[in-house]
Amino acid sequence: QSALTQPASVSGSPGQSIAISCTGTSSDVGGYNYVSWYQHHPGKAPKLMIYDVSNRPSGVPDRFSGSKSGNTASLTISGLQAEDEADYYCTSYTSSSTYVFGTGTRVTVL
Amino acid sequence: QVQLVESGGGVVQPGRSLELSCAASGFTFSSYEMHWVRQAPGKGLEWVAITSYDGSSGYYADSVKGRLTISRDNSKNTLYLQLSSLTAEDTAVYYCARRATLSYHAMDVWGHGTTVTVSS
Repeated sequence: QSALTQPASVSGSPGQSIAISCTGTSSDVGGYNYVSWYQHHPGKAPKLMIYDVSNRPSGVPDRFSGSKSGNTASLTISGLQAEDEADYYCTSYTSSSTYVFGTGTRVTVL
Repeated sequence: QVQLVESGGGVVQPGRSLELSCAASGFTFSSYEMHWVRQAPGKGLEWVAITSYDGSSGYYADSVKGRLTISRDNSKNTLYLQLSSLTAEDTAVYYCARRATLSYHAMDVWGHGTTVTVSS
């Protein structure tokens, strides 16, 4: 199982929108609508931000949104805020009944 | 409140074994599939394993298959990860996570992790 591919870093100014891509294969991202996204501040527990491609748990701000096209999923943060600075990981269910994480993206708020 | 607390990490020599625990509270542990996820120093999150709600089945990442074993004791509300034949590549923070209430394929509650260092 190869890790899903994410950009190493993405940055933006407060109020701007950024998008993080997550590219896999037809055996994972492209084959199932089971992509989720996690926010991870170093030293803390990861936090679920998006599940099943585009659904947001209660308590997650609506500036976070998810989508998918083919083998690539995306997380968009609209109206970037300072507290959004963190590492973000996608994950997908796979055809082997396992899961695979993305390589991770460091979001920097300029 | 809903909580997961990992324990059992430490410094262990290469080739030795170690058992990690994850104590669950605040929810009906026996109703949820459970995951282990790890993060090596300077690396990203890596999914390790999942166990069914009753412990009857489990799936593993290829990188750990045959060396790591996930199990649970629902009477004790505790999840376990047995690590054997440890190598430096197993050095990581190990997190346990609960299958999400809203989605079978997401993880909505995480512990804060326990650190395993494999070193002679």
